[in-house]
Amino acid sequence: ILNVEQSPQSLHVQEGDSTNFTCSFPSSNFYALHWYRWETAKSPEALFVMTLNGDEKKKGRISATLNTKEGYSYLYIKGSQPEDSATYLCAFRGSSNTGKLIFGQGTTLQVKP
Amino acid sequence: NAGVTQTPKFRILKIGQSMTLQCAQDMNHNYMYWYRQDPGMGLKLIYYSVGAGITDKGEVPNGYNVSRSTTEDFPLRLELAAPSQTSVYFCASSYRSRDNQNSPLHFGNGTRLTVT
Repeated sequence: ILNVEQSPQSLHVQEGDSTNFTCSFPSSNFYALHWYRWETAKSPEALFVMTLNGDEKKKGRISATLNTKEGYSYLYIKGSQPEDSATYLCAFRGSSNTGKLIFGQGTTLQVKP
Repeated sequence: NAGVTQTPKFRILKIGQSMTLQCAQDMNHNYMYWYRQDPGMGLKLIYYSVGAGITDKGEVPNGYNVSRSTTEDFPLRLELAAPSQTSVYFCASSYRSRDNQNSPLHFGNGTRLTVT
């Protein structure tokens, strides 16, 4: 059974605050780690796909880092805005399986104006 | 390009009824997935397919069946609906090749199913 854990489960911040959350995954047989943003009443949309240990990816005010040796990834949001309010999902793909992409339970971010 | 299309958007079933959730994609993606979303649980993988004619179980396959007779379509079948299958179902697809093994998923808009 693959365990993909995200923390915290939910987060409330003020507009302008910077924040980060964690995705933990198995450190063995790593292949890729995905991050998705999921707004209410919409479908999840891809943010990043990360494959190499030490990878850092950035899209606007959102960035992510990857540590495959210890099995974690951080997602950072700099200067949170109300439109950043969403659930952020990570998903793990191991090299021992051909297609499975296993999601964590998500971190729900609420940014107050 | 419609992307990933799911039908129906909503459905109410009685216990023991059967139904098929439809999923179609027009992006020539070889990989397709069915997930269910329950509150506080994220997305759980039901079944997935790496190409036409090939399907495999995910984390929570019991009570469901799938088929992949064409690249475009990946229907999910519930044979004997149970209240535990009340959920929001998402279909997703991606393209993988030897040179591109890590493309992201594209999701449909979801099907909200209630079993009473």
